[in-house]
Amino acid sequence: GEDVEQSLFLSVREGDSSVINCTYTDSSSTYLYWYKQEPGAGLQLLTYIFSNMDMKQDQRLTVLLNKKDKHLSLRIADTQTGDSAIYFCAERSYGGSQGNLIFGKGTKLSVKP
Amino acid sequence: NAGVMQNPRHLVRRRGQEARLRCSPMKGHSHVYWYRQLPEEGLKFMVYLQKENIIDESGMPKERFSAEFPKEGPSILRIQQVVRGDSAAYFCASSPQTGDYGYTFGSGTRLTVV
Repeated sequence: GEDVEQSLFLSVREGDSSVINCTYTDSSSTYLYWYKQEPGAGLQLLTYIFSNMDMKQDQRLTVLLNKKDKHLSLRIADTQTGDSAIYFCAERSYGGSQGNLIFGKGTKLSVKP
Repeated sequence: NAGVMQNPRHLVRRRGQEARLRCSPMKGHSHVYWYRQLPEEGLKFMVYLQKENIIDESGMPKERFSAEFPKEGPSILRIQQVVRGDSAAYFCASSPQTGDYGYTFGSGTRLTVV
């Protein structure tokens, strides 16, 4: 079945770039998403990419998609302490219904001052 | 424009009681999705509803769980005869009628079964 894998932890220093990686198994994925969850809060949609794109940039965020390797990454430039949170990668497969997203377990990003 | 509103934020139930979780989608959104997040886990899809219709309930446990989205009022996720394993955060998301570009999530209801 479909699966989304992420490393569980990432620690960076303030001002450095963070790169959070994700792999997925469903080659028919249509959309891939990155969500941010702060403690005790809901999920905030950061960005999404359609599967026919290779890259998407939005201010400090850059998403790279390697369809051949089924690898998705989120780069945060000039990481700030306010970026500390859990980041979830999710996919919507072609065969899944609208809104039926497959989430990874999340990567906890810690930003040290 | 208020976001997706869920209430209550925290809910404590004794084993065997019923839990009712409410979700009001964003204004103009007619599609609602429920997800469950167990501790240290990602979110798992439960059900997708439109007004008065269940579209996809492939992630719903077969027993004790039900969901509705009536013509008027919020969507309700109902868990009957709760057990300790139901303790989790339950998130609701909504989206407009068309478009598959992202889903707006509420802040969740954290259910604790004691």
